[in-house]
Amino acid sequence: AQSVTQLGSHVSVSEGALVLLRCNYSSSVPPYLFWYVQYPNQGLQLLLKYTSAATLVKGINGFEAEFKKSETSFHLTKPSAHMSDAAEYFCAVSDWDTGNQFYFGTGTSLTVIP
Amino acid sequence: KAGVTQTPRYLIKTRGQQVTLSCSPISGHRSVSWYQQTPGQGLQFLFEYFSETQRNKGNFPGRFSGRQFSNSRSEMNVSTLELGDSALYLCASSEPGQQAFFGQGTRLTVV
Repeated sequence: AQSVTQLGSHVSVSEGALVLLRCNYSSSVPPYLFWYVQYPNQGLQLLLKYTSAATLVKGINGFEAEFKKSETSFHLTKPSAHMSDAAEYFCAVSDWDTGNQFYFGTGTSLTVIP
Repeated sequence: KAGVTQTPRYLIKTRGQQVTLSCSPISGHRSVSWYQQTPGQGLQFLFEYFSETQRNKGNFPGRFSGRQFSNSRSEMNVSTLELGDSALYLCASSEPGQQAFFGQGTRLTVV
């Protein structure tokens, strides 16, 4: 069975500060890992994805994530928070061998303080 | 390419009624998945269709059903609506080995 755990349902950072959103996964097979962002009343937008290529993955809007197999982690970071980063962030894992089903974490709401 | 289109965007129904939601995937995508999003349960997988066949199904009662047409468009049906079915329903389309693209969702309110 596959699952992801997001530590911290709410994270607040000051504008310009480092953003760190945590995600740990559980997977019986090499995973495909994703970070999605959701703005109010919108669908999910892909930030970045890991598909067993480079362990450091760069995404849109200055976000990046590092796949650490030894820690089963895929934490999302951004060096300097911007007001427009305030949103809900979801970590997800998928195993395309069994279909296109995504398992999502419970989400982390990011607040950026001016 | 046009994105994933879900219709309608907002819907209000009465308990006991049924509802049909529609999803048009990105052209060329054969896989369509449906998710229910609620504040309490987060994003929960409903089912996935691939080339008109249901390939995976989440842990939802039989009141929730879906289908996919030959043009990959998909519909989701919920019968005998309950208050707890109020949620944002998201549709995602993809091809094997690629990320899922999500629609903006249908906000269903059951009163």
